[in-house]
Amino acid sequence: DAGVIQSPRHEVTEMGQEVTLRCKPISGHDYLFWYRQTMMRGLELLIYFNNNVPIDDSGMPEDRFSAKMPNASFSTLKIQPSEPRDSAVYFCASSTQTRENTEAFFGQGTRLTVV
Amino acid sequence: AQSVTQLGSHVSVSEGALVLLRCNYSSSVPPYLFWYVQYPNQGLQLLLKYTSAATLVKGINGFEAEFKKSETSFHLTKPSAHMSDAAEYFCAVSTPFEDYKLSFGAGTTVTVRA
Repeated sequence: DAGVIQSPRHEVTEMGQEVTLRCKPISGHDYLFWYRQTMMRGLELLIYFNNNVPIDDSGMPEDRFSAKMPNASFSTLKIQPSEPRDSAVYFCASSTQTRENTEAFFGQGTRLTVV
Repeated sequence: AQSVTQLGSHVSVSEGALVLLRCNYSSSVPPYLFWYVQYPNQGLQLLLKYTSAATLVKGINGFEAEFKKSETSFHLTKPSAHMSDAAEYFCAVSTPFEDYKLSFGAGTTVTVRA
């Protein structure tokens, strides 16, 4: 398996524009997580899905952020409108939960810069 | 709710010296614990994990960690540092059979001196 695939790797956009980040989890994984990493706040869990259903979105900073998982192999994180303070690295991770296999596998991340 | 605290945001060691990164956890139920490593401009890679079996866990690249319930700790060690160990290290906790989200510590940046 190619691992968790995120696109784009880098995104530069102007304030007010809509940004969509994409993630393809590892095949067979039933959990998907979106994290944001900044120097100030470290790694923050934004939202996670189980079997394509959002379970906990309490980490989503505000209504400008939304996430979807239309099927088991694809998820999006959308920011509309984007603001400079949204600049960060966004990671997608996936996992399956058995006693032996509990760890999350991370993608390479999307570095978002809002100017 | 679960959380982890990593003591020390930066650690500097000489090549060949012991690496010790400290992690303490808080959890209302028996936790699963993890150490991840992040190299510059990369995602997080699992080093090792504790899932309630052996308390001394060996991982990749010569790292190991010991789960100590009495101390609520899961410190990461490596006997002899290598230049390639320079990276950021994250401790994480999850509560199995409740929810499976990982809560991360603030991270510890390791530099290795020649």
